[in-house]
This record gives sequence, C-alpha cells and structure tokens, in this order.
Amino acid sequence: DSGVTQTPKHLITATGQRVTLRCSPRSGDLSVYWYQQSLDQGLQFLIQYYNGEERAKGNILERFSAQQFPDLHSELNLSSLELGDSALYFCASSVGGQNEQYFGPGTRLTVT
Amino acid sequence: KNEVEQSPQNLTAQEGEFITINCSYSVGISALHWLQQHPGGGIVSLFMLSSGKKKHGRLIATINIQEKHSSLHITASHPRDSAVYICAVKNREETSGSRLTFGEGTQLTVNP
Repeated sequence: DSGVTQTPKHLITATGQRVTLRCSPRSGDLSVYWYQQSLDQGLQFLIQYYNGEERAKGNILERFSAQQFPDLHSELNLSSLELGDSALYFCASSVGGQNEQYFGPGTRLTVT
Repeated sequence: KNEVEQSPQNLTAQEGEFITINCSYSVGISALHWLQQHPGGGIVSLFMLSSGKKKHGRLIATINIQEKHSSLHITASHPRDSAVYICAVKNREETSGSRLTFGEGTQLTVNP
C-alpha cells in the first residue's frame, strides 16, 4: 500500500459524459501527478500540481482539467468523453518535485 | 525514436535465473525511475537513481550517465517477479516540474 488513494476504482460511462477522478496523496506529500495509461499509448504524463499550483503540463487534452485543493487532494475532470479516453488513470504523489513518486492503485475508466 | 527505449520487450525466464532489463534514453536526465506494474495494474516504484547503483533485496539498478543507459537486475528470480517493468526519466532541462517520460515496459514472466 503506497498511501496514495484513488476513487473510484472502476468507472463505466457513455461517450459525451463528464467524470471526476479523485486522488488523495500520501500524508506530507505536496506534489500530485496524473498519468494516463492506454493500451496503444503506454504511460503518459498529464499534469503535476505542487501545493495547489500547477507545476508541469504534459499531453493533457483541453477536455481534461485538474486541480489540487488546499487539503492537497486532487481531482481530474474529464469531459465530452470519447471512446479513446478509456484507460487507466494513475495518480502519484511525492514530497517535492525531485523525490520518488508513489503511485495510487489507479482508476479504470471505460467509455462505451 | 522514443526518448526512452527498453529491451527486451518480453522476457521469459526459469525460476532462479539472473535477469537483466535494459533502458536507454536520449536526453540529459536528472533522475531515472524503475517501476513495477503487477498484472492487476498497480504500479510500485522500485528505484529512483541519478548515478551509480542501488540495491534492494534481490533487485539491483545501475545507471551510466555518460552512456545514457540503465539496467535493472533481478537475482534468483521467482514467479512472483512476473510483472511489467517500466523505466522512466526526468528530463534535466525541465526545471519547473517533474514530468516523467516512460519506456514501453518489459513484460517479464518467470516460470517455476
């Protein structure tokens, strides 16, 4: 158990819908990262927050947005969902930006 | 050409064998991570290293910064080591964030 929690574990929804994935980092960790793992793209970095502020952005679609709240939990919002958004979404956390990252169990999103 | 290349893509071994997985990267890095992804999907961070060698139990990770190459070794392999092993790097040029770029992973199967 890494100490990073993600909810929900599984999510099945239809195209065009909007979902919110939630992540709680390990106690004391200020950085939160979101990653997407799809069958054809492998693991890809989406976005990083540090203590509430966006720190780095990857290949995150405009339909996706994220934020980190004052209690340091983070949410990833996915809207206008397409079939290709079906993937595992991982959250990770670290103490700072230069430290080892600890991964949550992931949320498996299926868009039908 | 991907920034991070792993070899082999697939590896089958007999229990007890010494295993090596290789990772080559094309950019200057500040850190390299080795991750393990279990069949259920969960990701565990094995090592983060920027120079030299680290050892944890039967796992050893080495990195040669000049050669832009890292290896993950597993001694006395066991069926429970069966998983996907993923190499990821943090680009040295990225100073504001901690984006990781991932290799495609090596699927390891250890037979009893």
